[in-house]
Amino acid sequence: DTAVSQTPKYLVTQMGNDKSIKCEQNLGHDTMYWYKQDSKKFLKIMFSYNNKELIINETVPNRFSPKSPDKAHLNLHINSLELGDSAVYFCASSPRTGSHTIYFGEGSWLTVV
Amino acid sequence: LAKTTQPISMDSYEGQEVNITCSHNNIATNDYITWYQQFPSQGPRFIIQGYKTKVTNEVASLFIPADRKSSTLSLPRVSLSDTAVYYCLVGENTGGFKTIFGAGTRLFVKA
Repeated sequence: DTAVSQTPKYLVTQMGNDKSIKCEQNLGHDTMYWYKQDSKKFLKIMFSYNNKELIINETVPNRFSPKSPDKAHLNLHINSLELGDSAVYFCASSPRTGSHTIYFGEGSWLTVV
Repeated sequence: LAKTTQPISMDSYEGQEVNITCSHNNIATNDYITWYQQFPSQGPRFIIQGYKTKVTNEVASLFIPADRKSSTLSLPRVSLSDTAVYYCLVGENTGGFKTIFGAGTRLFVKA
């Protein structure tokens, strides 16, 4: 069983479209995250969500909006996609916000054309 | 957050021991040192974490000198499948939001 699963794995879409990436974790963790890995392979955190508390990274455009229906799911919705949004998006989870051990999903490759 | 410096890339041969050093001169008292491994087309995977001295698990060893301004990840007898990017992270054990990944070290293991 996959601990942190995200869908879709690959997504090609046109500029201006709105898309969502779904994430689910079956580890019973309290905290979930979204990371972005760009073409230079730098991995940057976008959001952290602990139960009902969302911590927003202020550098992330407000076109990106995470939604968490419950603590096992954290979806990422992106409005008005731009070319620069092309990247790999990783969902992750950790037992709690006090944990430095993070479990990552396999990534979602987003290409905006 | 403590900034980390690692070599951009390293080459090795199968069966050799590989040591990857990470510098973190401004590490704080509450900071832990954590290493992750990322294979192509996959998310990073936790390898090992330590605070001081030496930590060993089934995958690797982590050596941390007394001043904690650097750390060394040691991979014994690497194989081709150890080809990956290795990230050194330093920060308080306060969760992923404060976890910033640097560029990492790209390890190439040759036959």
